[in-house]
Amino acid sequence: GAGVSQSPSNKVTEKGKDVELRCDPISGHTALYWYRQSLGQGLEFLIYFQGNSAPDKSGLPSDRFSAERTGGSVSTLTIQRTQQEDSAVYLCASSLLSINSGANVLTFGAGSRLTVL
Amino acid sequence: GQNIDQPTEMTATEGAIVQINCTYQTSGFNGLFWYQQHAGEAPTFLSYNVLDGLEEKGRFSSFLSRSKGYSYLLLKELQMKDSASYLCASSGTYKYIFGTGTRLKVLA
Repeated sequence: GAGVSQSPSNKVTEKGKDVELRCDPISGHTALYWYRQSLGQGLEFLIYFQGNSAPDKSGLPSDRFSAERTGGSVSTLTIQRTQQEDSAVYLCASSLLSINSGANVLTFGAGSRLTVL
Repeated sequence: GQNIDQPTEMTATEGAIVQINCTYQTSGFNGLFWYQQHAGEAPTFLSYNVLDGLEEKGRFSSFLSRSKGYSYLLLKELQMKDSASYLCASSGTYKYIFGTGTRLKVLA
């Protein structure tokens, strides 16, 4: 597609429920990133995919968080048993090159705003 | 460790010049990026430095000193629409580390 698409744009859920957030990167972009941004804060790195592999999962806050990418394209971020502190905007970004390839500009999606009541 | 520091807030006047500083510590450094983020919107790419020196793109310039772990973003001829957060990001091994962002307010 023309840009990075994320869905849903807004999600309100009850504490303890599971949520799935989807990211559809720009066609042909091999690298995909998930970040979390809490209100008024910077971007917190969650996970990076090169193709379908995730070389770095160190940013995932707990074992309630998982992510996968299939076909080198769409990625889903799953949060199990959501907690109120999971409330944030979850941003997905993709890039054409691998991370070690220099001018590797990230293109961000509009984000998924998650509110856990 | 990996760390990015930048000021939290800055205020400047329309038509003026402002410099936003960023210091970083990143393993496997691959480059320094600046992104602009308007409230409620996704970050958008502004500039990139991998070698020491100044990169100029219209009203925006970015500088890098790798030996000092230091970068700055220079915005000239400020316009009201430049009011936004400016995120410094260091590219390292397998990840980009973003700073918390500098909220710039441009006053008339």
